[in-house]
Amino acid sequence: SQQGEEDPQALSIQEGENATMNCSYKTSINNLQWYRQNSGRGLVHLILIRSNEREKHSGRLRVTLDTSKKSSSLLITASRAADTASYFCATEVTGTASKLTFGTGTRLQVTL
Amino acid sequence: GAGVSQTPSNKVTEKGKYVELRCDPISGHTALYWYRQSLGQGPEFLIYFQGTGAADDSGLPNDRFFAVRPEGSVSTLKIQRTERGDSAVYLCASSPGGRSTGELFFGEGSRLTVL
Repeated sequence: SQQGEEDPQALSIQEGENATMNCSYKTSINNLQWYRQNSGRGLVHLILIRSNEREKHSGRLRVTLDTSKKSSSLLITASRAADTASYFCATEVTGTASKLTFGTGTRLQVTL
Repeated sequence: GAGVSQTPSNKVTEKGKYVELRCDPISGHTALYWYRQSLGQGPEFLIYFQGTGAADDSGLPNDRFFAVRPEGSVSTLKIQRTERGDSAVYLCASSPGGRSTGELFFGEGSRLTVL
């Protein structure tokens, strides 16, 4: 079963614009992670945010976490064509240590 | 290479056949995971190993699916009497292990097609 749902399912922007993807989940979590997947390839870890953190930055990535709303957002600033990929949030649900449950993903298309 | 290695990358089989998919994790990683990903969906958890033992196999869909990790390194996912609905990309991931799930390192996946 999918714990998280990403919104939107698909996003198309032009190079240089910012891209925002949202993730909602259902139950209490220990941490939330974001992964990227290029078409036909494996997943690559982007960033991890713990349940007691509200915001994290890594390069052009900014992640926020609102545990009261059970939601997270991933912001990619100054997007590039190479950012075209699917992005997934994944949660470690409280009480299920060492297991990540993935969402349905957002397909991002960045055009020149 | 130092990454997670999965073989075969592609496997085409006929309905009812037996299939084995292999995962070679990053050296020293004690935690190993199998996920299944259908087209347009997110990865679906199948099983998690800590060392040689299956710590959580709650995602295995039925008793046709079985996974082993006899020496705490390489793992094999075994599917008996394959069905067309088993067609998917099977992803393996590893991590250093520990009390909480940190970053998972994924392989490129094994694409299984059941005709």
